[in-house]
Amino acid sequence: EAQVTQNPRYLITVTGKKLTVTCSQNMNHEYMSWYRQDPGLGLRQIYYSMNVEVTDKGDVPEGYKVSRKEKRNFPLILESPSPNQTSLYFCASSFGGHTEAFFGQGTRLTVV
Amino acid sequence: QQPVQSPQAVILREGEDAVINCSSSKALYSVHWYRQKHGEAPVFLMILLKGGEQKGHEKISASFNEKKQQSSLYLTASQLSYSGTYFCGTSYNTDKLIFGTGTRLQVFP
Repeated sequence: EAQVTQNPRYLITVTGKKLTVTCSQNMNHEYMSWYRQDPGLGLRQIYYSMNVEVTDKGDVPEGYKVSRKEKRNFPLILESPSPNQTSLYFCASSFGGHTEAFFGQGTRLTVV
Repeated sequence: QQPVQSPQAVILREGEDAVINCSSSKALYSVHWYRQKHGEAPVFLMILLKGGEQKGHEKISASFNEKKQQSSLYLTASQLSYSGTYFCGTSYNTDKLIFGTGTRLQVFP
């Protein structure tokens, strides 16, 4: 089954404790991206990757890191999480930035 | 660069129609429409590429006015299952997909 898998689905952590949210897709998509969703602000792009070893900033990259060492995986790293990073995060993949995007089930992160 | 969606919210009775608009200040390469139900991930509805095309499936269709950099999503004879938040996503090239703030649609019996 074609899918984008995020883990964990829910995470509560403390300020400053490094964390990684994993994202994996099995559709051989070149393009992967991370979004955060906050009430009233829609889906805002954090980072995107057009292929292995190629990543670029989205609209809200501050406080986040990503890596794309393999085509199927695109982890989101928060080196020192802060409460303003409490949000719902979605990973998405597609063949290109302009083609149909498939979303993971989301990760609800709370930073206390 | 975030596209502007209107209205922010729509309340309908079953069988009524609705139009959701999406506009951009920059020249668009493509417009996407997604629907997100509460607690779930966004799900793709359709893509429109520049060229002013119109697309649709079942009772949901969309148009893309390239001159005005606008797209509209048309929901006709709405059903309860149409409830959710609708997002338009816009791309100005093949690199990035930027989403609007969403339109919340509620359909009541």
